[in-house]
Amino acid sequence: AQSVTQLGSHVSVSEGALVLLRCNYSSSVPPYLFWYVQYPNQGLQLLLKYTSAATLVKGINGFEAEFKKSETSFHLTKPSAHMSDAAEYFCAVSFPNDKIIFGKGTRLHILP
Amino acid sequence: AAGVIQSPRHLIKEKRETATLKCYPIPRHDTVYWYQQGPGQDPQFLISFYEKMQSDKGSIPDRFSAQQFSDYHSELNMSSLELGDSALYFCASSPALLARDSQGVTDTQYFGPGTRLTVL
Repeated sequence: AQSVTQLGSHVSVSEGALVLLRCNYSSSVPPYLFWYVQYPNQGLQLLLKYTSAATLVKGINGFEAEFKKSETSFHLTKPSAHMSDAAEYFCAVSFPNDKIIFGKGTRLHILP
Repeated sequence: AAGVIQSPRHLIKEKRETATLKCYPIPRHDTVYWYQQGPGQDPQFLISFYEKMQSDKGSIPDRFSAQQFSDYHSELNMSSLELGDSALYFCASSPALLARDSQGVTDTQYFGPGTRLTVL
């Protein structure tokens, strides 16, 4: 069965600094991988997805993630954090036409 | 572009009451998924429907039932509500098998804004 592990339930970065949110997956075969963002009291917005095409995936709001099979990782990065990036971020795994399994989430705090 | 619509957005119920949550998928999406997100928790899969038939079942209590109708909207029926049912309930829809995005993926799930259920 597939699963995802997000390292760090809370991450704080200064405004303008690099954002790095870590995600490792477990799956017997390469799955589809996603990052979702959830702002307070709002729904889930898809940031980006990996579906076995390019290993470096660019998403919305300047975020990108790199699929590394050897490390079973799919870390999310953004070169320069903005205050508006403060939110909960979920890494998720799925197979085609199947349910999504979410990680526990990482709350990103942006320090002024 | 049209998004997934969920109603109501907020619902307050007493213990042992019933609740019905509705989900209207994006047009031409034939698959609907329901997820439950407890306070401070990650979303957990409840149940899914494809072409009006149940396609998968997760950690959905027996007190809950769901169905997908001929117009592809779905309803989640919850009975004998408990305090622990207080959560955000998300519906997501994905396109028909013949519909593919630029990466050839059929199954990107688009989430609705959720229904916040509070059980008192």
